[in-house]
Amino acid sequence: KQEVTQIPAALSVPEGENLVLNCSFTDSAIYNLQWFRQDPGKGLTSLLLIQSSQREQTSGRLNASLDKSSGRSTLYIAASQPGDSATYLCAVAGTASKLTFGTGTRLQVTL
Amino acid sequence: SAVISQKPSRDICQRGTSLTIQCQVDSQVTMMFWYRQQPGQSLTLIATANQGSEATYESGFVIDKFPISRPNLTFSTLTVSNMSPEDSSIYLCSVPGPGHYEQYFGPGTRLTVT
Repeated sequence: KQEVTQIPAALSVPEGENLVLNCSFTDSAIYNLQWFRQDPGKGLTSLLLIQSSQREQTSGRLNASLDKSSGRSTLYIAASQPGDSATYLCAVAGTASKLTFGTGTRLQVTL
Repeated sequence: SAVISQKPSRDICQRGTSLTIQCQVDSQVTMMFWYRQQPGQSLTLIATANQGSEATYESGFVIDKFPISRPNLTFSTLTVSNMSPEDSSIYLCSVPGPGHYEQYFGPGTRLTVT
């Protein structure tokens, strides 16, 4: 059974800092890995999708990497802003597009 | 990307009653997924709803408790039956994008059972 873990569980940084969120998974037989953002009281917003054959994806200030063989992914956020405050979830896709979610990292960016 | 709406957005229900949650997608999709997010927890897949066939439930979830309908390619409902306080969660539906790679989520239904 796939298990996904995210470290740290919570993180508080001052505005402008670069930060890294970590995601690890136990079964490397995945189709892709997706990073989401969840704001309180709202649904999930897809941030980045990395196919199993890819090593990284970038979107604006966000960069996600994938090391499938070691079961790890990182989400790098450059020059953090207060608007980045949210919970970040990683999810791995197994068969039939089913997602297994990580435990989440709650990020707070302070002024 | 797909645009997904859910109704209701939130509800407070009494123990022992049932609530039906609706999920509407702006395009035709073969698969729709229902997830549950319990307080302070991550998302857990409840079932896959395929049009024209019965839903497929994940371990720990049963049809009697969470009956699902999928009458067409743009709509699905999830019913939470005989509710208890442990059913208090956010329920989200999702659909895969083209090629079944990226997944898109609805805004969720926040259910509180008293």
